[in-house]
Amino acid sequence: DVKVTQSSRYLVKRTGEKVFLECVQDMDHENMFWYRQDPGLGLRLIYFSYDVKMKEKGDIPEGYSVSREKKERFSLILESASTNQTSMYLCASSFKGDYGYTFGSGTRLTVV
Amino acid sequence: QKEVEQNSGPLSVPEGAIASLNCTYSDRVSQSFFWYRQYSGKSPELIMSIYSNGDKEDGRFTAQLNKASQYVSLLIRDSQPSDSATYLCAVNRGGADGLTFGKGTHLIIQP
Repeated sequence: DVKVTQSSRYLVKRTGEKVFLECVQDMDHENMFWYRQDPGLGLRLIYFSYDVKMKEKGDIPEGYSVSREKKERFSLILESASTNQTSMYLCASSFKGDYGYTFGSGTRLTVV
Repeated sequence: QKEVEQNSGPLSVPEGAIASLNCTYSDRVSQSFFWYRQYSGKSPELIMSIYSNGDKEDGRFTAQLNKASQYVSLLIRDSQPSDSATYLCAVNRGGADGLTFGKGTHLIIQP
């Protein structure tokens, strides 16, 4: 069964910490995405990547960065965590072209 | 600004009836359309995709697309309590620039 794996299901971090969220897919997908999901705001695209070492800003990239050194791994980095980054973070991947996504199980991040 | 609009609900439907979920989108060049189901506390799961005008059926689910009117809908026949979830509509203009999601419709199937 195809899989997108996010390293942590729940995470609690302090304000100002540098936070790494990891995502690994085993489907040889070219495209990978990071979204956050908040009540009343829905899913919002943070960053995406369509190839190794490539990255593109989504709708809300401020306060975040990403890294894609290998095709299967896409990392989201919060350089200095803030309380307004408390959210559910969802990683997704898809084949090149125009296919629906497969989502990981999500990481619920709380910044205190 | 790409926008995808859905009625947030909750939409309450008796068990065995047809549930009808609707979605409108603003970007006329949108090319592909998806419906995701999300159970509470879980991640979204793809249930239907549709790329051309008309109907597409898969089991109890039917997706309908009308590009001229810029709407896409999802029908769930013989609704079951297990269909109770939030349904997300997603739209892609084509290529790898990411899906735009609606905020979802909360569907409740009443036994």
